[in-house]
Parts: sequence; C-alpha cells; structure tokens
Amino acid sequence: GENVEQHPSTLSVQEGDSAVIKCTYSDSASNYFPWYKQELGKRPQLIIDIRSNVGEKKDQRIAVTLNKTAKHFSLHITETQPEDSAVYFCASSDSTGANNLFFGTGTRLTVIP
Amino acid sequence: NAGVTQTPKFQVLKTGQSMTLQCAQDMNHNSMYWYRQDPGMGLRLIYYSASEGTTDKGEVPNGYNVSRLNKREFSLRLESAAPSQTSVYFCASSESRRGTGELFFGEGSRLTVL
Repeated sequence: GENVEQHPSTLSVQEGDSAVIKCTYSDSASNYFPWYKQELGKRPQLIIDIRSNVGEKKDQRIAVTLNKTAKHFSLHITETQPEDSAVYFCASSDSTGANNLFFGTGTRLTVIP
Repeated sequence: NAGVTQTPKFQVLKTGQSMTLQCAQDMNHNSMYWYRQDPGMGLRLIYYSASEGTTDKGEVPNGYNVSRLNKREFSLRLESAAPSQTSVYFCASSESRRGTGELFFGEGSRLTVL
C-alpha cells in the first residue's frame, strides 16, 4: 500500500513566524492530498486539501504545495498564532480505487507566544 | 446537525471481552469509516463502507468486524478484545465514495483493554 512519511514529528516556532511541514508519498498515481488539524483531545478536522492537477492552494494563512515529480507536498502556515498549536496530519488517497486515505504519523506544532 | 456521533466515549475492557462501538451520521453521506489512532502512528483505517450493505477491509482489520446497518449507522465490534487493541477509535463519514473528499470525524472513543 501507499507509504506516507511526514517530517518533522515536532516543531516549535515563535508566534508570528512561519511553519512548514513536509510529506512524501510513494504511489505516483495518488491524486488527492488533504491536511488535517487535531487539537488536543479533539477530533481531526480538514484544514486544506489539494488535488494532483494543482500545484499550490492557499486559504488565508495556510497554503499547500504539491510536487508530483518528486512525490512530496508541504503545508505552510504563515504568521503563526497560539491557536495554531495542534497535531497536523497529511494524507494521500489510495489509487487502487479503494475508498481509503493513508495518513502520515503527524507533526506536533507548538507556537510559543 | 449533530454530524458524526459515536458511543461510548470511554470504555475499559478485560482481555477476551467483547464490545461494539456505535457510530451514526446525519449528513446523508455515502461512505463511513473506522480508524484507530495510536501514538506515533497516525490514523490507520480498520474498515470502511462505501455504501449501505457493503464493507471492505482497511489496513488493520484483524480482530474487528463491522456492520453497515443502514445509511446512517456503522458499528465496529471487537469479539475478543486484546491489549493490542487499546487505542482511540474514530468513526468518520464522507460524501465521496472514492476516498477523495473531506472526512468528518466523530469525537473519538478511548478504549483500554487490560
């Protein structure tokens, strides 16, 4: 099956700085790449996603970039705020037709006020 | 709309006991999923159902069974619980049948097997 690697596992930034989380995937036919945010003790929630026919997508302070050739995609958070502190998961879709997402192991982001 | 509701939120079992986790969604979604979340391992798919009456295995199905009772409900059963099944379980639903749409998660069920 698909192998999704996510780095770093933990990340600390000062409030106002930028944060970047990177994921690589193994299946070149994957075509959907979402990012989920999970606050402590809460459920994961989708924050942004990108499809393989697009190279970049932005939503206010959040952006995702996709490099299909290199099989990696990244989450960029600018002007970080304390409420951005959470665990972030990347995922990629299953190209075999199965109704499945393969998740990375998560990045714990801490924004220091 | 309540979204995705799962019960119970917490459960402690002894090895060998059985239990069923219940999940219901009120968004008229086609697909429903059961994931488990373990420290350092992200979310791993146990079973999914792309439509009423169909279920398929995910990455880690051993030791579990599921039932898609109707479009709204998808239950997960542990027939003989083992300590390795200690985890947080999330039910999710999606409009997509192909794994390419937003997942809406329930609040999670923390299961401890002693």
